[in-house]
Amino acid sequence: DAGVIQSPRHEVTEMGQEVTLRCKPISGHNSLFWYRQTMMRGLELLIYFNNNVPIDDSGMPEDRFSAKMPNASFSTLKIQPSEPRDSAVYFCASSFRGRAVSDTQYFGPGTRLTVL
Amino acid sequence: DAKTTQPNSMESNEEEPVHLPCNHSTISGTDYIHWYRQLPSQGPEYVIHGLTSNVNNRMASLAIAEDRKSSTLILHRATLRDAAVYYCILRDDGGATNKLIFGTGTLLAVQP
Repeated sequence: DAGVIQSPRHEVTEMGQEVTLRCKPISGHNSLFWYRQTMMRGLELLIYFNNNVPIDDSGMPEDRFSAKMPNASFSTLKIQPSEPRDSAVYFCASSFRGRAVSDTQYFGPGTRLTVL
Repeated sequence: DAKTTQPNSMESNEEEPVHLPCNHSTISGTDYIHWYRQLPSQGPEYVIHGLTSNVNNRMASLAIAEDRKSSTLILHRATLRDAAVYYCILRDDGGATNKLIFGTGTLLAVQP
């Protein structure tokens, strides 16, 4: 399996522009998570989906951020308009939540976003 | 979510065992103890998890105190590749949510 795939790996944009980050989870997984990592705040959970349905978006910083999961194999995280403080590494992770009590999350390589 | 406390950093020598501690005095009966690590410039990766009994896998061992208020991740022979941030996380795996809440972790440096 190719693992969790994220694109782009690096994104540099200017303040006010729209940014879209993409994630392809591991085939067969039914949970998907978006995280953000900065030096100041560490690794923060932004939102997660179970079976393509958003379950908890309490970590989404503000209305400028939105996430969608139109099908089991694709998710996007959009920032519109972007601001310099959004600069961070954004990770996507997926897991399979089934009958077993514990599920393991598998992380993608991340997208490093720089907003100038 | 119950909180965990870890040392900010630790050092080890290559090929020696490493014991990474984690305190979780407010752990509840249904909380599992999960360990993930993050190598430089990579996403976190799963290491091991347990509930009450000690656990072993190919990467590490997890020793859980009898009262479950602390645990120790054991790397039996550290290699340079084990230099990473190690996160100890509690999660109610039987509950409604399967999210992980990461703390600040322990930065492990491995000296050759």
